[in-house]
Amino acid sequence: QVQLVQSGAEVKKPGASVKVSCKASGYTFTSYYIHWVRQAPGQGLEWMGIINPSGDTTTYAQKFQGRVTMTRDTSTSTVYMELSSLRSEDTAVYYCARDRISLTSRPNYFDYWGQGTLVTVSS
Amino acid sequence: DIQMTQSPSSVSASVGDRVTITCRASQGISGWLAWYQQKPGKAPKLLIYAASSLQSGVPSRFSGRGSGTDFTLSISSLQPEDFATYYCQVANSFPITFGQGTRLEIK
Repeated sequence: QVQLVQSGAEVKKPGASVKVSCKASGYTFTSYYIHWVRQAPGQGLEWMGIINPSGDTTTYAQKFQGRVTMTRDTSTSTVYMELSSLRSEDTAVYYCARDRISLTSRPNYFDYWGQGTLVTVSS
Repeated sequence: DIQMTQSPSSVSASVGDRVTITCRASQGISGWLAWYQQKPGKAPKLLIYAASSLQSGVPSRFSGRGSGTDFTLSISSLQPEDFATYYCQVANSFPITFGQGTRLEIK
């Protein structure tokens, strides 16, 4: 069965970076785009960007341009999301999510999600 | 960016009721819309894609309609497990945006 398993919770100081992993299993890793979505405490969902695990191409939301980097390791079927220059407003649960349709960048419906990783930014 | 506005922001209903949630896009998105259900402490779950297609495994009491800018999610006969927060999502353009959510509470 399809699974996305994320790394554990992190506590970081303002100005630091965090790298969250998302390990995929149960399907052909390079056939489906992966997105990152975050959710601040008590708030809604916010899309951060997308990575094509096959070609390593990415598109980021403008809000995160320059601070976010999404990469993948095909040997371990793992996608990574690194966010730098952390501030308190980045405290959130970060989710990876798989596109429902393979090998297409649009439309984007998220059929499988990781369990979420809580990142807390506090001095 | 396409803005998605959901209404109401919260609704109270009873088991067995029919509930409808609305999502309006700031510009036309054809039928490129999804609906998700999220329970506290859990990841969102895809219910509806392409505005009206039911995701595999989702009960048939959930249905979606709409095209262009106006969309609805209906739950025909509320079950106890349906009390959650619901989000709409635009699916055909970057940045992907979500509605602010509708919290469905037990009356």
